[in-house]
Amino acid sequence: LAKTTQPPSMEAYEGQEVNVSCSHTNIATSEYIYWYRQVPHQGPQFIIQGYKDYVVNEVASLFISADRKLSTLSLPWVSLRDAAVYYCIVTGANSGTYQRFGTGTKLQVVP
Amino acid sequence: EAAVTQSPRNKVTVTGGNVTLSCRQTNSHNYMYWYRQDTGHGLRLIHYSYGAGNLQIGDVPDGYKATRTTQEDFFLLLELASPSQTSLYFCASSDRESGNTLYFGEGSRLIVV
Repeated sequence: LAKTTQPPSMEAYEGQEVNVSCSHTNIATSEYIYWYRQVPHQGPQFIIQGYKDYVVNEVASLFISADRKLSTLSLPWVSLRDAAVYYCIVTGANSGTYQRFGTGTKLQVVP
Repeated sequence: EAAVTQSPRNKVTVTGGNVTLSCRQTNSHNYMYWYRQDTGHGLRLIHYSYGAGNLQIGDVPDGYKATRTTQEDFFLLLELASPSQTSLYFCASSDRESGNTLYFGEGSRLIVV
């Protein structure tokens, strides 16, 4: 079973900031949080990874609660191209720990 | 840019047929994975490997075999295909040096009639 819980769907207007939450109450101290997104007819694509606090890259930012049981992916100024399924995964950062995907959060973007 | 290539991209076979899905990665990654994706289930891991000759069982291995012939090539084998194996299959690779980030191929759609 996946170790994460996400809302099944969200909707946002173009230009809005979107925050996608993920609960991982049993996260181990050795585990990191990864976010991927998948658009139709393509494989998932890595967005961002973090261990604690706040991580930002050119695509998104990731906030991780102090107890690491909750993370929030923030997408600024969403466009229609951001409509996708977003997956949150927790796993070790060392190879050998395979990553289980849940059903993700389907983000719909309204023009 | 990391590259994972799958073939065939689309395949139709009959029940009981023999199917091989191929995956090649040029990332020099040690780990390779096969997932299947079905509506309502997300991505589920079938088999994975950490190097040539190695095979590890994932969460849904029944009805599937896999072989890792080289670091680059990972094959998924369906020797007696069934309609329940109609799905979208993804191959991925990862490595410690890339922070265990998964790089996916574009998928192989298999229909078993």
